[in-house]
Amino acid sequence: AQSVTQLGSHVSVSEGALVLLRCNYSSSVPPYLFWYVQYPNQGLQLLLKYTSAATLVKGINGFEAEFKKSETSFHLTKPSAHMSDAAEYFCAVSNFGNEKLTFGTGTRLTIIP
Amino acid sequence: ETGVTQSPTHLIKTRGQQVTLRCSSQSGHNTVSWYQQALGQGPQFIFQYYREEENGRGNFPPRFSGLQFPNYSSELNVNALELDDSALYLCASSPGQGPYGYTFGSGTRLTVV
Repeated sequence: AQSVTQLGSHVSVSEGALVLLRCNYSSSVPPYLFWYVQYPNQGLQLLLKYTSAATLVKGINGFEAEFKKSETSFHLTKPSAHMSDAAEYFCAVSNFGNEKLTFGTGTRLTIIP
Repeated sequence: ETGVTQSPTHLIKTRGQQVTLRCSSQSGHNTVSWYQQALGQGPQFIFQYYREEENGRGNFPPRFSGLQFPNYSSELNVNALELDDSALYLCASSPGQGPYGYTFGSGTRLTVV
């Protein structure tokens, strides 16, 4: 069984400030981990993914995430928030042989001007 | 390359009716998955098709069924609609079995009244 917990359903940061969105996972086998972003009335766009290579993963739009096995975490960060980053962010887990994605409940990111 | 396209974008149905949602996968992608996203929730896996065969199913009743065609496009059928079926239905495709990350369509918003 696999699951994802996203701490904080709503996060607000000032424009230019650090963005940190938290994700913890549970998986009985080595996981694949993903971050997706969803803008209003749209589908999901892949930001980045971890597939057992480098533990620090860089994605699009300046986002990155670090896989920490000891903490079962895969937090998403961005050094400087931009107004266009306001959206819903989902962390998801899958694993080899079971590629269905199990999503967290999402974190809504608001950027304060 | 074209992405994942879904039709229709919005749909209103009456309880007890049947509905068919359609999805064209991204060029070169042979794997299609369907997800249900209720308001304020993360997407939930319905099922996956790989080379026209069902390849995994989530915790959804048999009245949710699907097809994948030789061109890898797909349909989701829902019979005996219930009010709780109101949701955004997302189709996602990938180039095969593995941690590729999925390309999502913009979804079909189904409202059951």
